[in-house]
Amino acid sequence: QSVLTQPPSVSGAPGQRVTISCTGSSSNIGADYDVHWYQHLPGTAPKLLIYANGNRPSGVPDRFSGSKSGTSASLAITGLQAEDEADYYCQSSDSSLNGDVVFGGGTKLTVL
Amino acid sequence: EVQLVESGGGLVQPGGSLRLSCAGSGFSFNSYAMNWVRQAPGKGLEWVSYISGSSSTISYADSVKGRFIISRDSAKNSLYLQMNSLRAEDTALYYCAREIGYDFSANYNVYLDLWGQGTLVSVSS
Repeated sequence: QSVLTQPPSVSGAPGQRVTISCTGSSSNIGADYDVHWYQHLPGTAPKLLIYANGNRPSGVPDRFSGSKSGTSASLAITGLQAEDEADYYCQSSDSSLNGDVVFGGGTKLTVL
Repeated sequence: EVQLVESGGGLVQPGGSLRLSCAGSGFSFNSYAMNWVRQAPGKGLEWVSYISGSSSTISYADSVKGRFIISRDSAKNSLYLQMNSLRAEDTALYYCAREIGYDFSANYNVYLDLWGQGTLVSVSS
């Protein structure tokens, strides 16, 4: 069972907007640790998508955005494209685990 | 090219040992803390272990504490994971990942900005 909770799956048609939630607790997101997001296609290296809640690394399209509030965070993807179909993971740190890295369980995005 | 390349995975019997390696290139390897993260078949990402740039600070997930040992060699720009007393539940794709850390709002935050392609470890009789 993951420390951070994500929905197992979400879906959307090309061009639509989808959001993926990430729910934590008072020892991680609620303790004001930042949230980061990764995109993972099977058989490839995970890719950093969003860091520090809402910042995009160079090369990540502005269709991807992140936000955080209270004990939760969310990833939004607008203008869905077929190549966005992948697994998405949120990540933070947890004070009850000495600040170690914690992941969400992952969300499978299906582009219909 | 900035990259991480893992090696050393394979099939091992329960109770056996395996040593994974991760070679970094294209960046100042010794300036970065590094992590191992794994993904079991059909499961999500699980953090396994951390080592600071100077090797002075090390931590492990409870699931591997006492069985796995993380280390690094500055001369070879390499990261290692010595895995002992392997169990079936250790079967996974193992990734090494470079860490970026920063202070904000009284917390030290970290994220993983560069990952390798992974090396597969299968524990089975």
